[in-house]
Amino acid sequence: EAGVAQSPRYKIIEKRQSVAFWCNPISGHATLYWYQQILGQGPKLLIQFQNNGVVDDSQLPKDRFSAERLKGVDSTLKIQPAKLEDSAVYLCASSFPPGAGIPYEQYFGPGTRLTVT
Amino acid sequence: GNSVTQMEGPVTLSEEAFLTINCTYTATGYPSLFWYVQYPGEGLQLLLKATKADDKGSNKGFEATYRKETTSFHLEKGSVQVSDSAVYFCALSERGTGNQFYFGTGTSLTVIP
Repeated sequence: EAGVAQSPRYKIIEKRQSVAFWCNPISGHATLYWYQQILGQGPKLLIQFQNNGVVDDSQLPKDRFSAERLKGVDSTLKIQPAKLEDSAVYLCASSFPPGAGIPYEQYFGPGTRLTVT
Repeated sequence: GNSVTQMEGPVTLSEEAFLTINCTYTATGYPSLFWYVQYPGEGLQLLLKATKADDKGSNKGFEATYRKETTSFHLEKGSVQVSDSAVYFCALSERGTGNQFYFGTGTSLTVIP
């Protein structure tokens, strides 16, 4: 079974430039998550999709970050314009859709390491 | 609210030493508890989980027991190997919260030969 795919793996940009990250979840996983992981910290949820709808984007800095999942499969996360503090690893994860029962495991991609100079 | 507190690292052990990484949690309801591992340059992988009190999750020689009375989920391994060098994250998720996960800050483990 193919895992969560992400690209690019590494990106270096200057501040005020824009950047986009792509994620392809595991087939059949309706729920997709984008996390920001700053060095030395745990992942922080930025946005959660179920199919092509947003479930939670309360921690997404909407003045500069945007994300979409137009056909309910692949997703793109964009930063425009980037700031120095955006340097982090951006992780994509997917899972079966949540219900009222026991939470489902999230499966993570390898991440994109962003460096803003 | 929900949160996870892990022991601070980094932790350095010799091969075959005993490992304990402490994890305590705060939750408003009845969470499921997880340990994820992140090897260098990779994403997080589920190591083990427990979904109710007194459950023991185990995988690859690692174990953790869900202790509701002490709100803890400590990770243990009897004999670590060099290949266990990684960052370990404790996490929780509650039923009916849309599968939202709360992660600890991670504990870096280095095992030396």
